[in-house]
Amino acid sequence: QPVLTQSPSASAALGASVKLTCTLSSGHSSYAIAWHQQQPEKGPRFLMKLNSDGSLYKGDGIPDRFSGSSSGAERYLTISRLQSEDEADYYCQTWGVGVRGVFGGGTKLTVL
Amino acid sequence: EVQLLESGGGLVQPGGSLRLSCAASGFTFTRFGMSWVRQAPGKGLEWVSGISGTSDKTQYADSVKGRFTISRDNSKNTLSVYLQMNSVRAEDTAVYFCAKDGIVGATVGYFENWGQGTLVTVSS
Repeated sequence: QPVLTQSPSASAALGASVKLTCTLSSGHSSYAIAWHQQQPEKGPRFLMKLNSDGSLYKGDGIPDRFSGSSSGAERYLTISRLQSEDEADYYCQTWGVGVRGVFGGGTKLTVL
Repeated sequence: EVQLLESGGGLVQPGGSLRLSCAASGFTFTRFGMSWVRQAPGKGLEWVSGISGTSDKTQYADSVKGRFTISRDNSKNTLSVYLQMNSVRAEDTAVYFCAKDGIVGATVGYFENWGQGTLVTVSS
């Protein structure tokens, strides 16, 4: 069963860019992940599915400011031109044969 | 537009039972697996259970196996997923989200659509 590791918190200034990281555990670097955003007091929202080769599939209506990339066991979510509504918790999630619904611990993003 | 609407949450005593429902619309229901994911107060997301589009496969987190049962109704007029929660414990207190899978034919893949959640509180 893969384990996903995320930093608990991140911060960046309004209008700047931020890069969040999700790290797959040893032996699981080929797994795809999904990124989800959860704004305060709301349900999660699917942002994108990100493959190990960096190819991605974005959810409906997700702005171009949100992008993803991969390097080895690391999966990244980059948010450009930060807006106040981007202040949220961000979760990565993975799946696979024999893998039952795995989430990272989440990163709380603060927009300064 | 995909819509998922949960209901059935509330206050339940330890050891009691509760049935959650998720009404789905806006997609071909039988083609996609559905899951329940929960979030305890102030905590992260935890996958609870998933069911395939045709109900032939179900999966459970170890924390709920033997106590919770997932099912679905694929009838034309009732496109819903259910979570029967028995022998509930204080640690089951959480907001429960219904989620639609993003992979055709999978039981538990990535979650492409989410509901707004229903709160379950286990307390005497």
